[in-house]
Amino acid sequence: QITLKESGPTLVKPTQTVTLTCRVSGFSLSTNGVSVGWIRQPPGKALEWLAFIYWNDDKRYSPSLKSRLTISKDTSKNQVVLTMTNMDPVDTATYYCAHSRGYSYGYWGQGTLVTVSS
Amino acid sequence: QSALTQPASVSGSPGQSITISCTGTSSDVGNYDLVSWYQQHPGKAPKLMIYEVSKRPSGVSNRFSGSKSGNTASLTISGLQAEDEADYYCCSYVGSGTSFGGGTKLTVL
Repeated sequence: QITLKESGPTLVKPTQTVTLTCRVSGFSLSTNGVSVGWIRQPPGKALEWLAFIYWNDDKRYSPSLKSRLTISKDTSKNQVVLTMTNMDPVDTATYYCAHSRGYSYGYWGQGTLVTVSS
Repeated sequence: QSALTQPASVSGSPGQSITISCTGTSSDVGNYDLVSWYQQHPGKAPKLMIYEVSKRPSGVSNRFSGSKSGNTASLTISGLQAEDEADYYCCSYVGSGTSFGGGTKLTVL
């Protein structure tokens, strides 16, 4: 079955760069039509799409965060990595990765809470 | 891209039907049949309930249905049950990515 699991630091300081890893199983990151997206959710607030990467390595980013985000994948390791630079307390959120086909997110990881605080 | 607009809250009694709207623009909801809906219970990851406007993933109750008219998509839940109480989010393809709505809290009275 398809599963995804996020990992990364739970606490980062303002201005630091955070690297989040999404390890996937049950599908290949090179399967035609598949993409993996990152979505975040600040405590008590709405979901916000951040980025996704297609099976063919094409990438898309949220316009408002594009300058701070980099998404990549390692097919051999079954993982997708998201880096976000210049972290700020407003970036405190649960970060989810999700499997997508056709721009809907059918499978989600459990999420990882990243807190930005000095 | 702006977030899609959803009502902050809706409520209904068990057995009733409710509808949650999701209003976008001609650049997103109105231009693509790529609207999806997610249910999220407290402390849990979102769950896909509807994709491509009106399709239900395997395992999702047929009490959940989706539709679209112009720039507004809708999620209807019929025969409300206590377990339906949750937050609901719409999402649309916007040409260069996806965008989520602000979320709607459904209360089952």
